[in-house]
Amino acid sequence: DTGVSQNPRHKITKRGQNVTFRCDPISEHNRLYWYRQTLGQGPEFLTYFQNEAQLEKSRLLSDRFSAERPKGSFSTLEIQRTEQGDSAMYLCASTQGNNQPQHFGDGTRLSIL
Amino acid sequence: QKEVEQNSGPLSVPEGAIASLNCTYSDRGSQSFFWYRQYSGKSPELIMFIYSNGDKEDGRFTAQLNKASQYVSLLIRDSQPSDSATYLCAATTGGFKTIFGAGTRLFVKA
Repeated sequence: DTGVSQNPRHKITKRGQNVTFRCDPISEHNRLYWYRQTLGQGPEFLTYFQNEAQLEKSRLLSDRFSAERPKGSFSTLEIQRTEQGDSAMYLCASTQGNNQPQHFGDGTRLSIL
Repeated sequence: QKEVEQNSGPLSVPEGAIASLNCTYSDRGSQSFFWYRQYSGKSPELIMFIYSNGDKEDGRFTAQLNKASQYVSLLIRDSQPSDSATYLCAATTGGFKTIFGAGTRLFVKA
């Protein structure tokens, strides 16, 4: 069990640029989640995959955000035309089955200049 | 809007004391409950999970759940300075949708 892996760990980019993050879940986990966390807040749900199917997407997520999980393994989260308000820690978590604890990766910290 | 509420703290306790962290949730359909510890700049780390009413103990940690009152708590016995962190309460609904509270900051004084 190598845990959930996310990269890059840090991303600094200029406003208006596109960024893409990757998450590799624990291998036997079929469920994968993306969260966003800002200072002083808990993780905020963005989207959820069961295998390769994206089953739910937060209404808070604008059209600039898209996520994929091809082949039900790793996942990518892309943010297009980044804005200052996108600066946050982006967390990925995985789990297996209903109501099970989620295991988090180390996160990707995004800073928008 | 389904919510999980926590006192933001900071909660300050002396070393060796019991720290009591509390959480309420709004969705009566919530089925599973989790406590995560998060050190500054790090990702959340699972501490405890509980599904049924009552107490669940694991080492120095005890989780308590009261579904009638929609209340979850975490007790940390013999608190250590290394327990100083933010503690996140989370509730899962529908088997997959997990809502996190904003967290309670705990400070254990040596």
